[in-house]
Amino acid sequence: EPEVTQTPSHQVTQMGQEVILRCVPISNHLYFYWYRQILGQKVEFLVSFYNNEISEKSEIFDDQFSVERPDGSNFTLKIRSTKLEDSAMYFCASSEVAASRNEQYFGPGTRLTVT
Amino acid sequence: LAKTTQPISMDSYEGQEVNITCSHNNIATNDYITWYQQFPSQGPRFIIQGYKTKVTNEVASLFIPADRKSSTLSLPRVSLSDTAVYYCLVVHSDTGRRALTFGSGTRLQVQP
Repeated sequence: EPEVTQTPSHQVTQMGQEVILRCVPISNHLYFYWYRQILGQKVEFLVSFYNNEISEKSEIFDDQFSVERPDGSNFTLKIRSTKLEDSAMYFCASSEVAASRNEQYFGPGTRLTVT
Repeated sequence: LAKTTQPISMDSYEGQEVNITCSHNNIATNDYITWYQQFPSQGPRFIIQGYKTKVTNEVASLFIPADRKSSTLSLPRVSLSDTAVYYCLVVHSDTGRRALTFGSGTRLQVQP
């Protein structure tokens, strides 16, 4: 069964450093998403991406965040200057059509720890 | 202000039916309501999706009233392996801004 993969599984970084979280969505999917989940809290939407551009983003997704699909398979989330409050689990997801009308497949997540 | 609320937790026993309700105001008119299951240290997993009335698949049913301001996930006969957190996911539409919004999550504990 096809699955979404994410690397690394755990990333530790110092405050102020840049991090790039990587995702490989399911190959025939067209919509890609990033979510975050602070420990013990609910899943929060960050951004959706379609046709090589951001289609929707939340208030959390400010100027320190960016996404990119650098090639035909990877989808990345960059946090330009990490803060302590960026510590969370980051999930990538993909779907065949828009999430609101189709199931999203989530990756296993990357745990980001900012010290 | 758009809100998506669920009970924080529920307890059940094996073999019982469990119903979890999500309240969602300001839901976008044309978008579906989706439910996910999440185990510890894993990503959410799709359970069921619907637009209105009732939808059933091999693992659950979803009931959505006509006003679509709430939805109820029904798990017919739970087992220990259904112990997890359950989230509804909707699209809120506030002042023209669309936002994919997960509910607060309901932690279901199934006892033997």
